[in-house]
Amino acid sequence: KAGVTQTPRYLIKTRGQQVTLSCSPISGHRSVSWYQQTPGQGLQFLFEYFSETQRNKGNFPGRFSGRQFSNSRSEMNVSTLELGDSALYLCASSQTSGRYNEQFFGPGTRLTVL
Amino acid sequence: ILNVEQSPQSLHVQEGDSTNFTCSFPSSNFYALHWYRWETAKSPEALFVMTLNGDEKKKGRISATLNTKEGYSYLYIKGSQPEDSATYLCAFGGSQGNLIFGKGTKLSVKP
Repeated sequence: KAGVTQTPRYLIKTRGQQVTLSCSPISGHRSVSWYQQTPGQGLQFLFEYFSETQRNKGNFPGRFSGRQFSNSRSEMNVSTLELGDSALYLCASSQTSGRYNEQFFGPGTRLTVL
Repeated sequence: ILNVEQSPQSLHVQEGDSTNFTCSFPSSNFYALHWYRWETAKSPEALFVMTLNGDEKKKGRISATLNTKEGYSYLYIKGSQPEDSATYLCAFGGSQGNLIFGKGTKLSVKP
C-alpha cells in the first residue's frame, strides 16, 4: 500500500504571495490532518478534514485554509505569506477520526518565505 | 489552553542503557494518547495508541504505560540501540477532537 504523499517537497516563496500544498492519503483513509512544525515548537494542528468536511480547526489565522476532495486528497492554502509561515507542513491520514486512530504522516513540505 | 508536556527535552544515553520519558496531559475529557517516533529526515511513525487507564503496550524493546486519572504516560526503551535515536512525541486526543502534540523528547544513543 502506498504511503502518504505530499507535493511539493520544497517551496520558496516571497512575502505576500500565496501557496497551495497537496496531500494524498493512504488509499481507504478518509481523514486528513494538517500540522505546522517550526523550530522549538511541537506539531501545531491546523485542521482536519473528513469526507470533504472540515471537522476541526486549530488556532491559526484565516489566511490558512484547506479543502478535501471526493477522493480524500487534500489541499492546504496559505494566502498573503508572512516570514513566520516558514515551516515544515505535515499532513497525516487515518482511517476515521485522527483522535482514535494512528496517524500516518507524509514526508512534509518545507516552505521558506523570503 | 490544553497543554501536553514531555520530559526530558533531550536525553543522551549509551548503547545498552535502558531509559524512559514522561508525557503529561490533561486528566479530564480523555479519549486517547498516542506515541510517535520521528527519526531525522523521515516522517513521524506511530508507536502506540492507548485509550484505557492502566493500558500497557509493547513493541519489541519499547513499551508504554498509561495513567489517565493522573494524566501521564511513560515510554520505556530497554537496552537502547543507536537506531533508537529519534525524537519521541506524545499526543493527547481529547474532547477538542484533534490531537495535541508535545514538543518531544530527543533521544541520542551513543555506540
